[in-house]
Amino acid sequence: GENVEQHPSTLSVQEGDSAVIKCTYSDSASNYFPWYKQELGKRPQLIIDIRSNVGEKKDQRIAVTLNKTAKHFSLHITETQPEDSAVYFCAAPNFNKFYFGSGTKLNVKP
Amino acid sequence: DSGVTQTPKHLITATGQRVTLRCSPRSGDLSVYWYQQSLDQGLQFLIQYYNGEERAKGNILERFSAQQFPDLHSELNLSSLELGDSALYFCASSVGRGMNTGELFFGEGSRLTVL
Repeated sequence: GENVEQHPSTLSVQEGDSAVIKCTYSDSASNYFPWYKQELGKRPQLIIDIRSNVGEKKDQRIAVTLNKTAKHFSLHITETQPEDSAVYFCAAPNFNKFYFGSGTKLNVKP
Repeated sequence: DSGVTQTPKHLITATGQRVTLRCSPRSGDLSVYWYQQSLDQGLQFLIQYYNGEERAKGNILERFSAQQFPDLHSELNLSSLELGDSALYFCASSVGRGMNTGELFFGEGSRLTVL
């Protein structure tokens, strides 16, 4: 996306390991940071989001951390399972900007 | 089921033709977004409408146009089709005006193949 950079583009981990995907953004006015998961052949779905007034949010095995000073936020998946294999997209939308990151293809090997 | 309905699910057409993709947002959602996803590519933002008005424009070609009708459904028109227009076109909806107001709900997509 025009204002969001996402890394890595592909990530392969062993089942049970952790996975971390990082996004950086340029617009300091961004205040909402969602992560979407897209399984093969399916639609993207929101898995977790965070607003700029908090630094971390956790939901079972997934968490998102936000560093507003450095303008980056990360998705953390612990105890990965094969069903976590998918493409993950971040976004850092401002009011008039609607761009997603380029996506990270996560492969969890059993 | 996200509540967002897109038709048709699949469409095969020839170069130079024109097609219309249709999207019905979730009940109560006023914003509609269109995205293009080419094979193994990311989500390219095309355009957004809020309550019938164009709200934001992304990387939408001049050959493409869209509109949102009073009943809030939206149509994406693709004309003078080229091979490179083959892609999965997603529609998404949300309650608020901006993408930062909350979750986008995506439809299942319309897969366009241009031969």
